[in-house]
Amino acid sequence: QQQVKQSPQSLIVQKGGISIINCAYENTAFDYFPWYQQFPGKGPALLIAIRPDVSEKKEGRFTISFNKSAKQFSLHIMDSQPGDSATYFCAARDAGGYQKVTFGIGTKLQVIP
Amino acid sequence: KAGVTQTPRYLIKTRGQQVTLSCSPISGHRSVSWYQQTPGQGLQFLFEYFSETQRNKGNFPGRFSGRQFSNSRSEMNVSTLELGDSALYLCASSLAGRSYEQYFGPGTRLTVT
Repeated sequence: QQQVKQSPQSLIVQKGGISIINCAYENTAFDYFPWYQQFPGKGPALLIAIRPDVSEKKEGRFTISFNKSAKQFSLHIMDSQPGDSATYFCAARDAGGYQKVTFGIGTKLQVIP
Repeated sequence: KAGVTQTPRYLIKTRGQQVTLSCSPISGHRSVSWYQQTPGQGLQFLFEYFSETQRNKGNFPGRFSGRQFSNSRSEMNVSTLELGDSALYLCASSLAGRSYEQYFGPGTRLTVT
């Protein structure tokens, strides 16, 4: 059972366009929602993280939008560049217990010139 | 600070054999998590260790086991290898209380023939 549902699994965007990746969750005990970026041959790296009491967080061209009532959050990459081509994972941390982190299935983004 | 290191980087084993993978976390990080990454399955959580104790465990068979040493280094072992165990095995470390901010190693690519 997927606790964090991520879509789409693959995405092709033209250079300069906006890339949008969506995630949804059910567990209301999640308290942190990070996004990771993974380039081929590398491990994932933390890109940006948001708490559910914040509706939006920007870091450069990357923006996380959070809709607590809908239990959805998304990553927007503005002015997408070929160098952004990577796999992106959304994740969620459980505030209870030992604060386990659950990852989405990943989105392979290709930005074409 | 040195990043998370994993050894070996590549491994080829035969069905039925066993394998041990090693992970050295970032200095000061006491939490180490292990993930299996396969195409189409995303990051599947194996287990997490903190101060030599397993705190969280994913839905993998008992053939997958791990341990953590007093210096926070961790090993994972897979016994009686199956073809389906072929995957990239990732190790990640984090500071106590910051499990949403995980630092991943480059992974060990295991191929079972």
